[in-house]
Amino acid sequence: KQEVTQIPAALSVPEGENLVLNCSFTDSAIYNLQWFRQDPGKGLTSLLLIQSSQREQTSGRLNASLDKSSGRSTLYIAASQPGDSATYLCAGYRGDRGSTLGRLYFGRGTQLTVWP
Amino acid sequence: NAGVTQTPKFRVLKTGQSMTLLCAQDMNHEYMYWYRQDPGMGLRLIHYSVGEGTTAKGEVPDGYNVSRLKKQNFLLGLESAAPSQTSVYFCASSYPTLATQTDTQYFGPGTRLTVL
Repeated sequence: KQEVTQIPAALSVPEGENLVLNCSFTDSAIYNLQWFRQDPGKGLTSLLLIQSSQREQTSGRLNASLDKSSGRSTLYIAASQPGDSATYLCAGYRGDRGSTLGRLYFGRGTQLTVWP
Repeated sequence: NAGVTQTPKFRVLKTGQSMTLLCAQDMNHEYMYWYRQDPGMGLRLIHYSVGEGTTAKGEVPDGYNVSRLKKQNFLLGLESAAPSQTSVYFCASSYPTLATQTDTQYFGPGTRLTVL
């Protein structure tokens, strides 16, 4: 059974701190990893997608890394701001048998609060 | 370009009632998905479709039916709603690139369903 785990479940930090969110997966067949942001009562917004051939992706203050050999991904947020407060979800893509479809398997998320 | 839209945004049902959730996308995506999100559970795949006229079961398909009569629409039906189906339902769509099997999924804003 595929399992994606996120640690910590919740994190509260003061503004300006650099922080790391962790994601681990036990299924070695997961080939790509995607990080999403979810604001309360809203849908998911894709932040970064790391393909199996890559080790990291960067977008602004966000940097995500992927180590398939250890089954780990991290999302690094630099100089955190109150606007970064949200739930961050990681999800791994795994091939669906008999098709080219890559199905997503989600972690339960890390709820981040950045206070002024 | 509206992306992925969902109708309705909120709904309250009584046990045994039926309803249909509508998902529409204007990105010409081949793949569409229905997920449910429950507190502490992350997102779980209910059903998905790899093209017009095709559907397949996901992780938690029981109690739901789907149809993809048009490429841009994916319908999720509850024939006889149960309290266990109280959840937030998200639709997503994607268009995979054959070279990498990378299919970034784009999510709708969600439908919050309560079954009494």
